Formats: sequence, structure tokens, C-alpha cells
Amino acid sequence: AQKVTQAQTEISVVEKEDVTLDCVYETRDTTYYLFWYKQPPSGELVFLIRRNSFDEQNEISGRYSWNFQKSTSSFNFTITASQVVDSAVYFCALSEAAEYGNKLVFGAGTILRVKS
Amino acid sequence: NAGVTQTPKFQVLKTGQSMTLQCAQDMNHEYMSWYRQDPGMGLRLIHYSVGAGITDQGEVPNGYNVSRSTTEDFPLRLLSAAPSQTSVYFCASSYDGLPYTGELFFGEGSRLTVL
Repeated sequence: AQKVTQAQTEISVVEKEDVTLDCVYETRDTTYYLFWYKQPPSGELVFLIRRNSFDEQNEISGRYSWNFQKSTSSFNFTITASQVVDSAVYFCALSEAAEYGNKLVFGAGTILRVKS
Repeated sequence: NAGVTQTPKFQVLKTGQSMTLQCAQDMNHEYMSWYRQDPGMGLRLIHYSVGAGITDQGEVPNGYNVSRSTTEDFPLRLLSAAPSQTSVYFCASSYDGLPYTGELFFGEGSRLTVL
């Protein structure tokens, strides 16, 4: 069963629009971490945020904000006033316990295209 | 500040050939891992290690071998390459492998094509 679901395969917006990327996860752990990573066209993977399962406060960092809701097992990511430089593939990930430490399981990713 | 270094960046193999993807990190991270990225499938964990001498399988371990003899290095071996192993491979490390907390630092990726 898929542990992290990013239902939106691709989203296209016009610059300055707000956009929300959805992430739904599935885990049996009571303690876990959720992550978002960005992969720009250059291909590297860039860490954006980490949130633990006990902290449901929303977080804002500049134009980025994250909405974590345990009741719906969702960890959505919103970009306000999108810019062309936001064009990238965005991955949501879930850290789950394993025999030797933790594993990070990624969703399939959402391609975001921001047009000028 | 090198971070995570992967070599080679590009490689073309013929079916049945073997090769090793190298990964080295200079951050003294205990946790290292290998992912493959395929279109529409995100990143899938192949193998990971929480320290020298300790490795474990991820989601897609078949056809790959790893070992961890030092903290710095975590090579990924393809024993007999198959076209299904055509992919982009990422090595990643973290300062904290136990449990849950570590932000992953990724290498630049290695693009492998198996003909």
C-alpha cells in the first residue's frame, strides 16, 4: 500500500497565483516525521521542511506555508504569490520506523509549472 | 564543502554488466541511503545504513548490493545490470538515523542507462 499519496501529478498556474500541493500519508506509528523536498529543473533535491507528529501548528516561511492535520492524515503545502522560480517537482515524504533506524518514504511527486 | 559526492554522474551499461556507484560524504553522517528516481514513481529507497557495518533493505533492493565499511563511503553495486535498472540514482546522508528526525542531504544524482 502506498504510504504517501500526492494525488496531483502536475499543476500549472500563472505567476502570482496561490497554489496548494496536497499530501496524504498513511502510518501506524504514533511518532513520525513528515517532510517536503523540492527538485528544481537542475535536478538536485532541496529540503524545505520537517514536521513531527506531535506538532500540528501550521508553519509559514516567507511565501511558503504548511498545513498539518493529523485528523485527515494530510500535510499540504501552499505557495503564495507563485513565481517562475517555484517551478519544480515537489515531494512529500514520511519517516517511518525500521529495524535499524528510520526510513524516508517519498510520494510520487507533484510537478509545478509556473508560467509568466 | 563537498557534502555528498556521487560518481559517476552518467553511465551507460550493457545488460549483464556489473558496476558500482560510489557515494562519499564528508559530514561525518552515520545514516546513508540510496534511492532511485523513476518518472511518476517518486524516489524509492533501495538500501540504507545507520553506521559502519550495518545495512538494511529498502523498498526495491533486488539486483543491488551495498556495504558500509567506513562512515564516509556507501557504494551501491549492480550485480548484473538489467534495462529495468535504468534510472537516476541518488545517495543521501543524514546526521541522525535513529529515528525519524534526520533531514536528508542528497548528492547530485547518477544517471544510469542499461541497454
